[in-house]
Amino acid sequence: GAVVSQHPSRVICKSGTSVKIECRSLDFQATTMFWYRQFPKKSLMLMATSNEGSKATYEQGVEKDKFLINHASLTLSTLTVTSAHPEDSSFYICSARAPGQGVQETQYFGPGTRLLVL
Amino acid sequence: AQTVTQSQPEMSVQEAETVTLSCTYDTSESDYYLFWYKQPPSRQMILVIRQEAYKQQNATENRFSVNFQKAAKSFSLKISDSQLGDAAMYFCAYRSGYSNSGYALNFGKGTSLLVTP
Repeated sequence: GAVVSQHPSRVICKSGTSVKIECRSLDFQATTMFWYRQFPKKSLMLMATSNEGSKATYEQGVEKDKFLINHASLTLSTLTVTSAHPEDSSFYICSARAPGQGVQETQYFGPGTRLLVL
Repeated sequence: AQTVTQSQPEMSVQEAETVTLSCTYDTSESDYYLFWYKQPPSRQMILVIRQEAYKQQNATENRFSVNFQKAAKSFSLKISDSQLGDAAMYFCAYRSGYSNSGYALNFGKGTSLLVTP
């Protein structure tokens, strides 16, 4: 199946710094990528939908100036957590949509990035 | 907005036995898709099975099958001949069939499945 990578897999940073997370579709072109956040033992919460070449669509309650998303190419989307604080510590997961017909269209998930802000 | 409810936070099954995980959803849409995802301790999301709402036939994938009751808005997952490797968090997910939804997945809270020898 299709592969989505995320880099880094884990990152520890100091409060106030910015962290960039990359999401790449390795063997297909993804017109849409999604960013999710997952707290321990909780479900995935959609943060934003990223479309190639256009501005991301953020879910209610997600600060767009805090979580900057750039989808510059059909295989790469980046999430930058700006001025990170301890409450931003979480597991961030991206998924990439491989367009198809109906249910054949599949979302492939990256392995996730664990962010710890000290 | 569509909601997905998984009422069982934890389930346990013995190896080789069968277990059913529950999922209900709420929607007013007619075009949608339902999914079950597995998240093992590695936290990599793995697609288990998917179902188109317009199909009456229940989807099956080897030991995994669903019971899709459209009128009741129920979408349960049955795992037969459970194996130790089936231990994981299982998430039920809904996706709209309409483009204005952005095609994002809407997840339930998950069910933690424990498989005992």
